[in-house]
Amino acid sequence: GENVEQHPSTLSVQEGDSAVIKCTYSDSASNYFPWYKQELGKGPQLIIDIRSNVGEKKDQRIAVTLNKTAKHFSLHITETQPEDSAVYFCAASNWNQGGKLIFGQGTELSVKP
Amino acid sequence: DTGVSQNPRHKITKRGQNVTFRCDPISEHNRLYWYRQTLGQGPEFLTYFQNEAQLEKSRLLSDRFSAERPKGSFSTLEIQRTEQGDSAMYLCASSQRGIEQDTQYFGPGTRLTVL
Repeated sequence: GENVEQHPSTLSVQEGDSAVIKCTYSDSASNYFPWYKQELGKGPQLIIDIRSNVGEKKDQRIAVTLNKTAKHFSLHITETQPEDSAVYFCAASNWNQGGKLIFGQGTELSVKP
Repeated sequence: DTGVSQNPRHKITKRGQNVTFRCDPISEHNRLYWYRQTLGQGPEFLTYFQNEAQLEKSRLLSDRFSAERPKGSFSTLEIQRTEQGDSAMYLCASSQRGIEQDTQYFGPGTRLTVL
C-alpha cells in the first residue's frame, strides 16, 4: 500500500543553523506533498506544500524540493529559531484518488538557543 | 475565527461507552476528512466526505465507528462501545473547491481517553 518514510525522527540544531528533513513516498501517482508543523496538544499546521509539476518552492526561511524520479522530497529550514521547535510531518496524496493524506512518522526538531 | 473547529477538545470516557465528536469545517469547503493520531505517530486517514457523500473509509474504521455529514456542512464521528485502543487524537480537516482543492486545513483535534 501507500507509504511515506520520513527521516530523521529527531533533529537537534543550534539557533541560526539550517535543518533538513527528508521523505520518500511509494505511490508514483502521488501529486501533492504538504508539510505540517505540529506543536504539543495542537492540530497540524500547514507550513508549505508543493505539487508534482514543480521542483522547488520557497517561502521566506522555508523551502521544499521534489524529485519525482526518485520519489523523494525534502524540507529545508534556514536560520532556525527556537520557535521552530516542534514536530514536523511530511505527507503525500493524489487528488484524483480522493486526496487522503499519507503521513510520514514525524521529525521532532529542537532548536537550541 | 474562520478555521476548522472541533468539539469537544477533550473527552474522557469509560470502556464500553459511546462517544460522539463534532467537526465544523471552514465555510464552503466541500471536502471533509477525519484522521486519527496516536502518540508519537503521524495522523492516519479514517474517512472523507465530499459534500454529504461519504466516499472512502479506511480499514481502520471498524464497524464500531460511524461518521456522518448530513447537510454537507458539519460532520460527526461516533464511536460505539469504546475500547482502550481507541484512545487517540481525532483530527478533522477540510479542503475547498478550486485551484488549491488538495490543500487540507486541520482543526485542533479531540483528544479521547478511554479508561
